[in-house]
Amino acid sequence: DVKVTQSSRYLVKRTGEKVFLECVQDMDHENMFWYRQDPGLGLRLIYFSYDVKMKEKGDIPEGYSVSREKKERFSLILESASTNQTSMYLCASSFPGREETQYFGPGTRLLVL
Amino acid sequence: AQSVTQPDIHITVSEGASLELRCNYSYGATPYLFWYVQSPGQGLQLLLKYFSGDTLVQGIKGFEAEFKRSQSSFNLRKPSVHWSDAAEYFCAVANSGYALNFGKGTSLLVTP
Repeated sequence: DVKVTQSSRYLVKRTGEKVFLECVQDMDHENMFWYRQDPGLGLRLIYFSYDVKMKEKGDIPEGYSVSREKKERFSLILESASTNQTSMYLCASSFPGREETQYFGPGTRLLVL
Repeated sequence: AQSVTQPDIHITVSEGASLELRCNYSYGATPYLFWYVQSPGQGLQLLLKYFSGDTLVQGIKGFEAEFKRSQSSFNLRKPSVHWSDAAEYFCAVANSGYALNFGKGTSLLVTP
């Protein structure tokens, strides 16, 4: 079975803190994605990566950065957390190709106080 | 740009009744379409997908979807709903960069 794991299920941080969310997949997928999920807005793409050290901005990259040093690991970084970044964060991975299934992790629910 | 619209935010059905969740897409060429389900507190799981061939697609858990190009629709159906189907359902289209553009989701409530 494909497994996508995220480092934390729940996280509480203070405004201004630097926050790291980590995602690991075990299927040797080239593509990895970070989405943000908010009620009534669905899922929105923050960043994706199609190879080690390669990244592309998604629809809402402001306030976020990413790192992909190894193929299996994709990190989302909130440089200075703000209350409007309180959300559910979902990581996904897939093989290249538009027809390919994306496999999702369980999500990290982040609360920024 | 590719986009997906799910017109129904909430749907309530009785257990054993049939279900249809609507999805309309906007895309110039042949779209790559997906339905995902998210149970409470869980990540998303793929139900089914369409990118070519037979326009009636069978998925897991007894779900099916029909691609209708003339109506720009990809509606999800199930003939008899079970209480365990209560969840949030997302329709999505793959964009040129391989990421998914999701609809805003439809929350399904199943009553006894």
